[in-house]
Amino acid sequence: EAGVTQSPTHLIKTRGQQVTLRCSPISGHTSVYWYQQALGLGLQFLLWYDEGEERNRGNFPPRFSGRQFPNYSSELNVNALELEDSALYLCASSLDQGSISGTQYFGPGTRLTVL
Amino acid sequence: AQKVTQAQTEISVVEKEDVTLDCVYETRDTTYYLFWYKQPPSGELVFLIRRNSFDEQNEISGRYSWNFQKSTSSFNFTITASQVVDSAVYFCALIRSGAGSYQLTFGKGTKLSVIP
Repeated sequence: EAGVTQSPTHLIKTRGQQVTLRCSPISGHTSVYWYQQALGLGLQFLLWYDEGEERNRGNFPPRFSGRQFPNYSSELNVNALELEDSALYLCASSLDQGSISGTQYFGPGTRLTVL
Repeated sequence: AQKVTQAQTEISVVEKEDVTLDCVYETRDTTYYLFWYKQPPSGELVFLIRRNSFDEQNEISGRYSWNFQKSTSSFNFTITASQVVDSAVYFCALIRSGAGSYQLTFGKGTKLSVIP
């Protein structure tokens, strides 16, 4: 069974640009989570999607947004990139529909560098 | 508010030594879930274990064992006879289970280096 996949693997952007990251969950998983792992800041929760709806978001500005498609894949969009957005962006999926307590399985991440 | 503290930022051990990674949590909820994840140098987080707050039974899986103590709000992780492949950053996490809201908190992680 394929795990969570993310694309692209690496990305380099400049300040002010916009970026879209993609995530495909494990087959059968309906919940997708996005995290930011910036150097020295640990894992910070960004967004949770379940059944196509945004269920919750972490303490991030509105320029971080996303969506979940009918096939449960998801996109994370970041507008007006800032230097401090440089981080590893991790996507996770879980099976427990509508429940935040489901075990989350992580993808390999997208490394975003903002110059 | 909830909090997860992994006081050990970095630990180095020699291969075959036992090592315990500490995790202390704070939450006001009676129902919650605790997790441990491993992040090897490749970056991908690997799920290790999930525990709910009503199950204090300790668990052993091969060389890995977990000690959950609600009385001290701790969920410690022990690796027996450590191996070089155990070198990674280990994260402890807490998810609150409650209607209408969601709170997930990860600890800062403990970087374990196993020296051959």
